[in-house]
Amino acid sequence: DTAVSQTPKYLVTQMGNDKSIKCEQNLGHDTMYWYKQDSKKFLKIMFSYNNKELIINETVPNRFSPKSPDKAHLNLHINSLELGDSAVYFCASSPWTGTNEKLFFGSGTQLSVL
Amino acid sequence: AQTVTQSQPEMSVQEAETVTLSCTYDTSESDYYLFWYKQPPSRQMILVIRQEAYKQQNATENRFSVNFQKAAKSFSLKISDSQLGDAAMYFCACRNTGNQFYFGTGTSLTVIP
Repeated sequence: DTAVSQTPKYLVTQMGNDKSIKCEQNLGHDTMYWYKQDSKKFLKIMFSYNNKELIINETVPNRFSPKSPDKAHLNLHINSLELGDSAVYFCASSPWTGTNEKLFFGSGTQLSVL
Repeated sequence: AQTVTQSQPEMSVQEAETVTLSCTYDTSESDYYLFWYKQPPSRQMILVIRQEAYKQQNATENRFSVNFQKAAKSFSLKISDSQLGDAAMYFCACRNTGNQFYFGTGTSLTVIP
């Protein structure tokens, strides 16, 4: 069973469109994240949710809106897509603090905006 | 926010040799965790090794070991007996008590046959 699954794996779309990426984890973790990896491979945190509540929003444009219907899901909706949004987006999850648990990553969604 | 710095964008090593990847971090917290992740061309993020900041003993995992210098805020990764399958991007990461993980900019490792 896949621990952190995100769909789709690939997304090709036109500028100006709206798209969503879905993420689900079956690990019972409290915290979920979205990371963006750009063409230079920089991995930057975008959002962090703990038990459905937003914990961190790292200077991400308002066009990006995360939604957490329950603690096992964290979806990412992007409005009015721009060329600069092309990147690989990773969903991840982790138990809450007090442990040395790693970050569990999904397989990534490669978004290409044309 | 914490910062993690990897000063070597690219490194190469001869097969069977040893290579060390550098990482420094900046945090004001006393309790944190450090990680090295590997990302092969498949894009998958794979944990290589982890270290608790309160532990003085350096972590080891088979051919992988770290040199953790807490006072210097340094966390380097040593890969011994390098293999072709070690070729990948390597990311250093720091996790704080708020459960936030911050990553360095990565080091691309090439293994030369």
